[in-house]
Amino acid sequence: AQSVTQPDIHITVSEGASLELRCNYSYGATPYLFWYVQSPGQGLQLLLKYFSGDTLVQGIKGFEAEFKRSQSSFNLRKPSVHWSDAAEYFCAGYNFGNEKLTFGTGTRLTIIP
Amino acid sequence: DGGITQSPKYLFRKEGQNVTLSCEQNLNHDAMYWYRQDPGQGLRLIYYSQIVNDFQKGDIAEGYSVSREKKESFPLTVTSAQKNPTAFYLCASSGLTGVTTEAFFGQGTRLTVV
Repeated sequence: AQSVTQPDIHITVSEGASLELRCNYSYGATPYLFWYVQSPGQGLQLLLKYFSGDTLVQGIKGFEAEFKRSQSSFNLRKPSVHWSDAAEYFCAGYNFGNEKLTFGTGTRLTIIP
Repeated sequence: DGGITQSPKYLFRKEGQNVTLSCEQNLNHDAMYWYRQDPGQGLRLIYYSQIVNDFQKGDIAEGYSVSREKKESFPLTVTSAQKNPTAFYLCASSGLTGVTTEAFFGQGTRLTVV
């Protein structure tokens, strides 16, 4: 089945440390890929998106993601996290075949002082 | 301001009752989606619609129904057939043309069965 997978349910990092959240995709062709962030009890906010072209994409709040076709991955990174980055992060993929937007199960990020 | 609005924010339902969640967008988006969110399960797609008067079942459509009579509106009815309706429901919309299919989300409706 065409999908996105987030292997890490929960990640804890220290404030100021670097961050990498993993996302793997399974699509026949290159999908459109997205990273969203959700604060508790809120909707989702788009961090960044990849459609084609440059495989390193920049997003809001200092986040970036790299598309790696050879690894079927689209990992989210940030060089130095802030306490306000604590939230749930979702990877998503859009399948042109059936026009579905599918989400991973999410990774909850905790920041410790 | 353009955006997507879900109402109500909190909703309580007695067992055996149907309840309808509202979703309205003024972004002129063609596509609209309904997701259900439960802890540890991410967002699961209930129904989606690409054009007016047409919609498709998602991965967990049983016990739910939708309509798309207007481009701006995509209400979700949680029927009494849904065995475990307590959850957080998110509505989203997206454009279908050009280079973007990013989805914009409402703030969600938390449904609790009492």
